[in-house]
Amino acid sequence: DAGVIQSPRHEVTEMGQEVTLRCKPISGHDYLFWYRQTMMRGLELLIYFNNNVPIDDSGMPEDRFSAKMPNASFSTLKIQPSEPRDSAVYFCASSSYRSSGNTIYFGEGSWLTVV
Amino acid sequence: GESVGLHLPTLSVQEGDNSIINCAYSNSASDYFIWYKQESGKGPQFIIDIRSNMDKRQGQRVTVLLNKTVKHLSLQIAATQPGDSAVYFCAENIGGKLIFGQGTELSVKP
Repeated sequence: DAGVIQSPRHEVTEMGQEVTLRCKPISGHDYLFWYRQTMMRGLELLIYFNNNVPIDDSGMPEDRFSAKMPNASFSTLKIQPSEPRDSAVYFCASSSYRSSGNTIYFGEGSWLTVV
Repeated sequence: GESVGLHLPTLSVQEGDNSIINCAYSNSASDYFIWYKQESGKGPQFIIDIRSNMDKRQGQRVTVLLNKTVKHLSLQIAATQPGDSAVYFCAENIGGKLIFGQGTELSVKP
């Protein structure tokens, strides 16, 4: 299996621009998670989906952040408008209780810099 | 609450020695715990897990110990190697939601 695939790997954008991060979970996994990692706050869960339905978005920092999962093989995390404090590494992860227990597998991350 | 924290932010060990990384958790309802390793520029990688009905689990060179009485988790790495240098995170799973601790950076001296 190719694992969780994220794109872009790196993005530098100007403040105020829209940023879209993409994720392809491991085939057959029914849970998808978006995490954000910064030095100050560590790994924070932003939102997670089960069977394409958002279950818990309490970690989404504010209305500028939105996430969608239109089908089982694709999800996006959008920031509009972006701000310098959004600079972080954004990880997508997926899991399936049936095939992996509760183990969550992470992608390589999208490194976002907002200037 | 759901916070998970680590006692030590950094740990430096000599190659060949054993490493012990500690973690405290606060939610007694947590039923599943995982240790992840994160190398520079990469995503967290699963190392080993343990369910709350166990107090010890062993893998290849790694052992996880769970003490539910004091809500403490530890990761032991035997014969630490330079390739073990990374940041290690403990995480607790509550209803499918994985909450991470701060992380401990392990540095292995040759």
